Parts: sequence; C-alpha cells; structure tokens
Amino acid sequence: GQQVMQIPQYQHVQEGEDFTTYCNSSTTLSNIQWYKQRPGGHPVFLIQLVKSGEVKKQKRLTFQFGEAKKNSSLHITATQTTDVGTYFCAGGRQAGTALIFGKGTTLSVSS
Amino acid sequence: EPEVTQTPSHQVTQMGQEVILRCVPISNHLYFYWYRQILGQKVEFLVSFYNNEISEKSEIFDDQFSVERPDGSNFTLKIRSTKLEDSAMYFCAWIKDAFTGELFFGEGSRLTVL
Repeated sequence: GQQVMQIPQYQHVQEGEDFTTYCNSSTTLSNIQWYKQRPGGHPVFLIQLVKSGEVKKQKRLTFQFGEAKKNSSLHITATQTTDVGTYFCAGGRQAGTALIFGKGTTLSVSS
Repeated sequence: EPEVTQTPSHQVTQMGQEVILRCVPISNHLYFYWYRQILGQKVEFLVSFYNNEISEKSEIFDDQFSVERPDGSNFTLKIRSTKLEDSAMYFCAWIKDAFTGELFFGEGSRLTVL
C-alpha cells in the first residue's frame, strides 16, 4: 500500500536556527498537506499543495511540492520556541481519498 | 465553541469489552473520518464516511470496528472486543470544503485498554 516517509524523526535546534523536514511518498500524490501537532493536542492544518513544483510561504514557513509529486518539504526560517511540536505531512492518492500521514518530525527549540 | 465534540475524552476499559466513541458535529459536514494515533506515533487512517456510507477503510479497520451515523448527527466508532493494541487517541475528522481538502480534527478520545 501507499507509504509516506518522513525524516528526520526528531530535530533539536537553538532558537533562531533553521529547520527542515522532508517527506517522501512511495507513489505519486494528488496533493500533500502539512499539519502541526502540539504536545497533547490534535493535528492542525497548515497548508495544502496540489501542483507539481509548487512553493508556498506562510511567514517563516516555506512548503515545497516536488516536480514528480512524490516528495515535499517544510522549511522554517529562524525558529522560535512557539514552533515546537510535531510536523506531519499527509498525502492523498486522489482528490477525496483518505490522507496517509507520515510519522512526523518532532521539533524542539531551546532558547 | 468547538465545531465538533468528541466523547468520552478518556475511557479506560478491560480487554474484550466493547467501546463506543462519539463525535458530534455542529454543522452538517459530508465527509467524516476516524483516525487513531498510538502514543508518540503517527496518525493512522481508519475509515472515511461519506453520505452516510463507508467510502474507504484501511487494513486496520477490520471486523472489530464499525462506524455509524445513526441519527444524522452523532458519528460513532465502535470497537466490539478491544485488544491491548487498540490503546490510542482516536480522532474524528471532517472536511468542510471539498475544494481545499483541509482536514479538521476533533480534540480526540483517549482509549486505554487494560
């Protein structure tokens, strides 16, 4: 079945450093979404990418969708302590089908 | 006020017992999902429910699981005979806008099987 891999599993950075998490799918995706989950909380939607090669920015967050629509990345510039949490990518094979989540990257930030 | 209420927030049960988890939406969304997350692990898809029918289910969603929307409001997940490995956080999720595909998650129900 479809698998979504995400690396690294954990990342610790000093406040102000950059952070990147990578997502790879075993199959071509229709779309990819990114979610953030704070400790003890539920996943919260960040963004959806649909087009091949798409790049979207949200303030310090930059999201990319690969040309082959099989990989994606989330980059955070100048991390802050409020960025701590687990970041999940989730891929959909077709529009309307269930999202398959990666294992997530847990980010910790020390000030 | 949250859009969806999940109950119970935490349930402790003995292995082999039946458990019903409920999700009560405020609005009439079309697409509903159940996901689960074993502590510290990834979010796993269980089942999707569209127009009062199961539209997709994962390998995890075996005969021990069932979903219903009995009265058009409550959306339930039943586990007939719980196993230790069913211990997890169970999230109901929904889509408000099929175009954006944004998945909204409830607060979750924590199930502990002893």
